[in-house]
Amino acid sequence: QKEVEQNSGPLSVPEGAIASLNCTYSDRGSQSFFWYRQYSGKSPELIMSIYSNGDKEDGRFTAQLNKASQYVSLLIRDSQPSDSATYLCAVYPSGGSYIPTFGRGTSLIVHP
Amino acid sequence: GAVVSQHPSRVICKSGTSVKIECRSLDFQATTMFWYRQFPKKSLMLMATSNEGSKATYEQGVEKDKFLINHASLTLSTLTVTSAHPEDSSFYICSAVPDDSYEQYFGPGTRLTVT
Repeated sequence: QKEVEQNSGPLSVPEGAIASLNCTYSDRGSQSFFWYRQYSGKSPELIMSIYSNGDKEDGRFTAQLNKASQYVSLLIRDSQPSDSATYLCAVYPSGGSYIPTFGRGTSLIVHP
Repeated sequence: GAVVSQHPSRVICKSGTSVKIECRSLDFQATTMFWYRQFPKKSLMLMATSNEGSKATYEQGVEKDKFLINHASLTLSTLTVTSAHPEDSSFYICSAVPDDSYEQYFGPGTRLTVT
């Protein structure tokens, strides 16, 4: 069974700090990785996708992928209270499946 | 781009009635759409994969006769909750995948309350 693990948190960081969210996955052959943000009572919204080892930056967000260690992380620089949400990691399994596996999400709280 | 709409956003119905939820990809074609359910403070639960022109694929434990899915076009999938009961009350979310991508784009969700 393909698994995607995330610490449920909550992860609490002060405003302006860097928030680091981590995700590990069990399927070594996975090739596509996504981060979603979900505010309470709302549906998830796509933040970033990453497919290659290394870092990918988009504004205050940086996704990091390490396929050898089977983890993907999301860094949020200069965290704002508006970043407080649940962050979901999604991984497409190997074998050409078009059904991603979602982690349970990490709750992030950015306090002023 | 990549906008997915869902209608209605909120619905209250009586036990025993049926409710239809529409999911539309507004600016892209999506052969594949997904239907999820989410209970308060719980994780997303995939209910079924909807494929245009073919039968939906349901996850284990999801009753296909209760949750009817129709993917009639490349931009529209519908979920009908038949003979709804209070335990069906939940947040139902659809997502669509552009045909040339792996990225899922979620609709805003439908909050169903069955009284």
